[in-house]
Amino acid sequence: GNSVTQMEGPVTLSEEAFLTINCTYTATGYPSLFWYVQYPGEGLQLLLKATKADDKGSNKGFEATYRKETTSFHLEKGSVQVSDSAVYFCALTYPFSGGYNKLIFGAGTRLAVHP
Amino acid sequence: DAGVIQSPRHEVTEMGQEVTLRCKPISGHDYLFWYRQTMMRGLELLIYFNNNVPIDDSGMPEDRFSAKMPNASFSTLKIQPSEPRDSAVYFCASSLGQGEYEQYFGPGTRLTVT
Repeated sequence: GNSVTQMEGPVTLSEEAFLTINCTYTATGYPSLFWYVQYPGEGLQLLLKATKADDKGSNKGFEATYRKETTSFHLEKGSVQVSDSAVYFCALTYPFSGGYNKLIFGAGTRLAVHP
Repeated sequence: DAGVIQSPRHEVTEMGQEVTLRCKPISGHDYLFWYRQTMMRGLELLIYFNNNVPIDDSGMPEDRFSAKMPNASFSTLKIQPSEPRDSAVYFCASSLGQGEYEQYFGPGTRLTVT
């Protein structure tokens, strides 16, 4: 089946540290891959995406590269800030019946950044 | 645009009562999604609509749950009768398309069933 596996949190870092949140997926075909972020008390919002192998998505200093050979889409940031504290969700879309797609999410990884 | 609007933001009810959650998607978005988020099960897709028509309701937990979209600007998720295990945050999201299109989430409704 189709699934997304993320590293368990919480991830606790000091400000300006390097961040990696691992994400691997299982999917048939060629899914699109996403990272969504959820700040406290809010809904999810798209952080970045990649739609084909070797694509790199980037936004707000975050990056992730679609690696088909390792079925991974790890999220990285070179220098985190306190304001990056949130829950990060890896997600993929896969074909559903009738020409439709479904989006499924990983369990989420909580990031806490301390000054 | 104001984004996806959900109401109420918080709902506390007693077991057995009917609960109705409401959602107004972003104007022009053809897809609407209802999700449930809990600590135990994470984020689950309950149902989604395309042009007001339900496409996939396989995530709806049981017959106590129902969802409607009478027009392009309004959707409801109803639970009747409610149970304590329904306590969760319910999100509505909308998008212009599917696949690689971004889903825009509302702020959620936190439901507590006592």
